[in-house]
Amino acid sequence: GAGVSQSPSNKVTEKGKDVELRCDPISGHTALYWYRQSLGQGLEFLIYFQGNSAPDKSGLPSDRFSAERTGGSVSTLTIQRTQQEDSAVYLCASSLVGTSPQETQYFGPGTRLLVL
Amino acid sequence: AQSVTQLDSQVPVFEEAPVELRCNYSSSVSVYLFWYVQYPNQGLQLLLKYLSGSTLVKGINGFEAEFNKSQTSFHLRKPSVHISDTAEYFCAVTLPTGGGNKLTFGTGTQLKVEL
Repeated sequence: GAGVSQSPSNKVTEKGKDVELRCDPISGHTALYWYRQSLGQGLEFLIYFQGNSAPDKSGLPSDRFSAERTGGSVSTLTIQRTQQEDSAVYLCASSLVGTSPQETQYFGPGTRLLVL
Repeated sequence: AQSVTQLDSQVPVFEEAPVELRCNYSSSVSVYLFWYVQYPNQGLQLLLKYLSGSTLVKGINGFEAEFNKSQTSFHLRKPSVHISDTAEYFCAVTLPTGGGNKLTFGTGTQLKVEL
């Protein structure tokens, strides 16, 4: 079946603009995760959804970052008033149930964001 | 809080040679351990994971890793590498309980296989 898909694959924006990044998890997967991969910080967790609720938002770096998930499927990560330090690859992952850390997380190809 | 250290940022190796990618973790409680691989312009793919039981874990593509609790290590090994193994490898941990399912990653090791 289809894996995790993300769009756009690349996004170039100007400092101060808002951006939306989309993630389509594997069909039937309840849990969804966002991570950020940047040169300075490596791979870091941002937020985790269980269904439509987000029990763990601890990794969001500032209040400019928000995410939502509707219908237990698609998720959107929004970055407001983008800054150059937001430039990174944003990775989305999903897992079947999400109630056990034993589960494998399946990753999408990422969205490469460049803020000029 | 838990953390992961991958001391080698790059590992060059000739094709058909063995390789070991090092991973050490820090945690005051038991953890689950994972190795992921990232090929160029692709997402991360799980190679193997250690949850409990046998300390030697076998994964895909001929890779294996050994959990060593006393040394807090989870090194990844392959007896004979191929050109196609050129990729970035990430070690990660998560907590069995109370961790919210989030993975904490190391900084990655770039494996470059040469002819």
